[in-house]
Amino acid sequence: GAVVSQHPSRVICKSGTSVKIECRSLDFQATTMFWYRQFPKKSLMLMATSNEGSKATYEQGVEKDKFLINHASLTLSTLTVTSAHPEDSSFYICSAPDSRADEKLFFGSGTQLSVL
Amino acid sequence: SQQGEEDPQALSIQEGENATMNCSYKTSINNLQWYRQNSGRGLVHLILIRSNEREKHSGRLRVTLDTSKKSSSLLITASRAADTASYFCATAPVGAGNMLTFGGGTRLMVKP
Repeated sequence: GAVVSQHPSRVICKSGTSVKIECRSLDFQATTMFWYRQFPKKSLMLMATSNEGSKATYEQGVEKDKFLINHASLTLSTLTVTSAHPEDSSFYICSAPDSRADEKLFFGSGTQLSVL
Repeated sequence: SQQGEEDPQALSIQEGENATMNCSYKTSINNLQWYRQNSGRGLVHLILIRSNEREKHSGRLRVTLDTSKKSSSLLITASRAADTASYFCATAPVGAGNMLTFGGGTRLMVKP
């Protein structure tokens, strides 16, 4: 199946710094990518839909200036957590649909962010 | 964006037993999908059932869908220790494109 690569898998940063997470579709083009946040033992909460060549669509309650999303190419979307604080610590996952594979989503392996 | 409820939230069984997880949702859907997540990892697609289908099989997996009750079930037969993971149902709401909304998940533990 299609492969989505997400980096880094784990990052620890100091409060106030910014962290960039990359999500790449390796063998297919993704005009859309989804970014989720997941708390321990909880479900995935959709944060935003990343659209290639246009602005991302954010879910209600998600701060656009806090979570910057860029989808500059058909294979790369990035999520930047700006001025990170301890409450931003979480597991972030991206996913993308592959038009060759029905309506299923292919997920990155996730990024565990810990803000000290 | 979470619209599904899953039960049980946690399930512990012995190897060889069957595991059944249930999912309920609220809106009209195009399809319903089940995903598996190992701890600290991304999700892996297991099976998709369309709104006009009632039952689907894939290996040891059996999925049912009742659109009148807005519910689905996932049955894993002859479970193995390697099946230990969290399982999520995800619905594709009508008109939402590729977007999926996920249920709360069931944490399955299969004891050897």
